[in-house]
Amino acid sequence: NAGVTQTPKFRVLKTGQSMTLLCAQDMNHEYMYWYRQDPGMGLRLIHYSVGEGTTAKGEVPDGYNVSRLKKQNFLLGLESAAPSQTSVYFCASSDADQPQHFGDGTRLSIL
Amino acid sequence: DAKTTQPNSMESNEEEPVHLPCNHSTISGTDYIHWYRQLPSQGPEYVIHGLTSNVNNRMASLAIAEDRKSSTLILHRATLRDAAVYYCILRDPNQAGTALIFGKGTTLSVSS
Repeated sequence: NAGVTQTPKFRVLKTGQSMTLLCAQDMNHEYMYWYRQDPGMGLRLIHYSVGEGTTAKGEVPDGYNVSRLKKQNFLLGLESAAPSQTSVYFCASSDADQPQHFGDGTRLSIL
Repeated sequence: DAKTTQPNSMESNEEEPVHLPCNHSTISGTDYIHWYRQLPSQGPEYVIHGLTSNVNNRMASLAIAEDRKSSTLILHRATLRDAAVYYCILRDPNQAGTALIFGKGTTLSVSS
């Protein structure tokens, strides 16, 4: 049972570089989310999607872009990475008001 | 979303019951009480949720106060694998698709 799969698991970037984090879910869920978690803190929502082709901003969207071209995939992009974006990124998916299923995270360091 | 208050940390011994409290005095009539936990180096994991009545599943039990201003997550026999951060979160199903609001949660330590 794959559930929610995040790629890559670890990445180190230099300031100003760009990259894309991939989230894939095999549960046919309508809703997908990107969160970030900083040390000792709870998760904060970056962007989310309520269906294929739709995206919306969360609590901390600045510096990130997202796309949901296929129902099963939700991509998170960093156009110009900054040290403040060093964090652990979690993707989740769900159906409507059902519990969210999370991936194991992507640990991103920006030097 | 209404706010929840949890103790920062709790300790337990293996095979003993654990009661994790959560206060949510401003809960609305439509808010469900959800619990998630996060094991070290993993993403959060759903544990249980309820509205008014006590709930049981294979992982835990949820006891909800009659006035719904507080609830308690009960782990009947703690194991070392239950050491995690436990989050109490309120969700309104009428706002389906919105984010879970994570506070700092309760860090549960389990000793053998």
